[in-house]
Amino acid sequence: AQSVTQPDIHITVSEGASLELRCNYSYGATPYLFWYVQSPGQGLQLLLKYFSGDTLVQGIKGFEAEFKRSQSSFNLRKPSVHWSDAAEYFCAVGANYGGSQGNLIFGKGTKLSVKP
Amino acid sequence: EAGVAQSPRYKIIEKRQSVAFWCNPISGHATLYWYQQILGQGPKLLIQFQNNGVVDDSQLPKDRFSAERLKGVDSTLKIQPAKLEDSAVYLCASSFQGMHTEAFFGQGTRLTVV
Repeated sequence: AQSVTQPDIHITVSEGASLELRCNYSYGATPYLFWYVQSPGQGLQLLLKYFSGDTLVQGIKGFEAEFKRSQSSFNLRKPSVHWSDAAEYFCAVGANYGGSQGNLIFGKGTKLSVKP
Repeated sequence: EAGVAQSPRYKIIEKRQSVAFWCNPISGHATLYWYQQILGQGPKLLIQFQNNGVVDDSQLPKDRFSAERLKGVDSTLKIQPAKLEDSAVYLCASSFQGMHTEAFFGQGTRLTVV
């Protein structure tokens, strides 16, 4: 069965420090992978996505993620965290139903806190 | 460009009552999704529509949940009767049909069942 694991429930980093959020997936075929961010009381916003090709994917707000098939991982990184990055981050794998990529299996999320 | 609109934003009901949520997707998006997000968990897909047809409702508790998308635009999700464990945020999302299309999410409806 398809699944997504985010091992870290809560991470705290200092402003300006680097960030890496971990994501492992289980999927039988080539996965479509996504990272979303959710601020309190808000919906989910797509940060980046991987479908194929270059395994290092650039996203919005200075985020990037690297797909590693051998490790079944898709970790999210940012070189320098800003206070506004404090939010909850969700990794997701897409199931292709009807040719659309919104049929997603989400991990449980990682809450990011940023220390001044 | 207008985003996905959902209403109401908040709803409090007693158990065994019924409740309905409304979603208006982004114009031109053929695919519409309803997700349930319980506190502390990631969203879980309840149902996916393609135009006005159901593509996937494998995780919809059909004994109490129902959804429709008449005319292939707006959608309504209903719970009848509600249980305490239905307390969650209900997210609606929409996307164009086709490969490599992303889903855009609304702000959600927070349901509290007491």
